[in-house]
Amino acid sequence: EAQVTQNPRYLITVTGKKLTVTCSQNMNHEYMSWYRQDPGLGLRQIYYSMNVEVTDKGDVPEGYKVSRKEKRNFPLILESPSPNQTSLYFCASSFSSGRNNEQFFGPGTRLTVL
Amino acid sequence: AQSVAQPEDQVNVAEGNPLTVKCTYSVSGNPYLFWYVQYPNRGLQFLLKYITGDNLVKGSYGFEAEFNKSQTSFHLKKPSALVSDSALYFCAVRPDRGSTLGRLYFGRGTQLTVWP
Repeated sequence: EAQVTQNPRYLITVTGKKLTVTCSQNMNHEYMSWYRQDPGLGLRQIYYSMNVEVTDKGDVPEGYKVSRKEKRNFPLILESPSPNQTSLYFCASSFSSGRNNEQFFGPGTRLTVL
Repeated sequence: AQSVAQPEDQVNVAEGNPLTVKCTYSVSGNPYLFWYVQYPNRGLQFLLKYITGDNLVKGSYGFEAEFNKSQTSFHLKKPSALVSDSALYFCAVRPDRGSTLGRLYFGRGTQLTVWP
């Protein structure tokens, strides 16, 4: 089954404790992206990747890191999480960055930083 | 700057009645427009998209959307709402030029509630 998977689905952590949220897709997609969803703000892009070893900042990259060493994986790293990073995170992928390509979304990771 | 506006946070309709979820956009050049739906505790699912051609686009689950270039709008519609349509709906736009090529911009979402 074609899908985007994220792990963990739920995570409660404390300020400053490094964490990684994994994202993997099995559709051989070139383009991958991370979003955060906050009430009243919709989805905001954190980082995106056009292909392996090609990443760039989205609208809200502060406090996050990403890497794209393999085509299928695009982990999101929070080196020193803070409470304002409490949010619902979605990973998404599409065949390419071409404008007509819809994005496929993972199930989401709900992160709480205490 | 690229932006998408969904002017209504909530839309409530009775089952069987037509529904409209509004979306307007501001983007440089010609936009590609998308609608996504999010059911509780789920990721976003693609509904439909406008690329070019016919201004009326048909998508999944009986939804359609009308592109209006002069009004810069892309409203989502369905002739007869179902209770199961209740969800959070997002409009999104992709610009066709500039440094933001390839990126997707989302509206803040509209919560649709269809009551029996």
